[in-house]
Order: sequence, then structure tokens, then C-alpha cells
Amino acid sequence: DAEITQSPRHKITETGRQVTLACHQTWNHNNMFWYRQDLGHGLRLIHYSYGVQDTNKGEVSDGYSVSRSNTEDLPLTLESAASSQTSVYFCASSDLGTDTQYFGPGTRLTVL
Amino acid sequence: AQSVTQLDSHVSVSEGTPVLLRCNYSSSYSPSLFWYVQHPNKGLQLLLKYTSAATLVKGINGFEAEFKKSETSFHLTKPSAHMSDAAEYFCVVSEGGATNKLIFGTGTLLAVQP
Repeated sequence: DAEITQSPRHKITETGRQVTLACHQTWNHNNMFWYRQDLGHGLRLIHYSYGVQDTNKGEVSDGYSVSRSNTEDLPLTLESAASSQTSVYFCASSDLGTDTQYFGPGTRLTVL
Repeated sequence: AQSVTQLDSHVSVSEGTPVLLRCNYSSSYSPSLFWYVQHPNKGLQLLLKYTSAATLVKGINGFEAEFKKSETSFHLTKPSAHMSDAAEYFCVVSEGGATNKLIFGTGTLLAVQP
């Protein structure tokens, strides 16, 4: 069955370190999204991509970057982790022309 | 701009009683609206989606939602709560156009008492 996976599921890191969170989908979806989930805020969009070599900033993109070198993967990089980036991160994907998104299981990131 | 407001951050019901989770939306056009559910320490699962085909939308696990344009509401209901329904529920609106982006409400945490 097609799915979307994230790794690692849990990560503890220190302030100032670079961290990369992986997202891999086997749906063959063109669109991929990264969100962060914080209490009282729901999910907020960090970055998104509509296809290979395409990336766009969401509403909370400062301190994050993404790259899309193939259809299946959209890794999220925190260039220099900050305590404010402690959160749960979700990756999602959707097919071309549809707004229904399918979510991965999430990565809980703690920045000490 | 599109937005959603979930009117209750916490709802508590007894097992076997009805569930009502309230959501109001704001949109300049006829939007796509969704309800997603998140069980503890899990990802988000699509419950149902409204796309203007029918105002009453049936979803998984006995949930349904009614689109009311005059009230700009999209409330989620279930006739009889089950313990397994305890989770966080998100009302979501599509940003529209060709963006395929979603805008999330802040969530309603549903507790089900035995």
C-alpha cells in the first residue's frame, strides 16, 4: 500500500546544530507539505513543493529550508536549531489538482 | 482570505451520547472543507470532505458534517460517542485556487467519559 513515512520519529538535539527531518511518500504525489504543530496553533505551514525542483515558503518558514530532488522525498532542514523550534513536525502530500492531503505519523523534535 | 474557527477547544461527552464539534468558516467563495482527526501520538487522518456535491457529508466511523452556507458553519456530529472517538479534531478549509494549501483550525479535544 502507498504510504508516507517520516524519520526519525523522535529527535533530541542541541541549540545551534543542523537537523534534517526526512519525509518519503510512495503515493507518487506531486505536492508535498511540511507543517509544525504547537499547542493552541493547530498546524502551520512551513514549506511546500508542487514538484521536483519547486519549493515555496509557508507562513512560518524562517529558520527552515527544503529541497526537492525527486518526487518521493522532501527533507526539512533546520539550519541552526533554536529552542523555539521544539515542536511536532508533520509531512503531507496530495495529488496534482486536489487539495486532499495525506499525513505522515510526525516527528517530535526537542531542541535543548 | 480563508479561515476557520473552532468554537470549543475542549468537549467532553459520555459514551453513548451525541457528539457536536463546532466549526465556522470564512471564505470569499464556495470552499472545500475538511475534518481531520488526530489520535494521541498519531498523524492526522481524513474524516470527511465537503466539495459542494451535497451539503450533508458522511465520513468514517459514523461521523458526518453539514455545510450551512447561511450560517457559514461546518459542524461535525456523531449520534453516539464511543471511547475510541477520544482524539483531537481539526476543521480545515482549502485556501483555494491552484494552491492546494490547507488552513487549519486550532483543534477541539474530545474526551469521552465511560
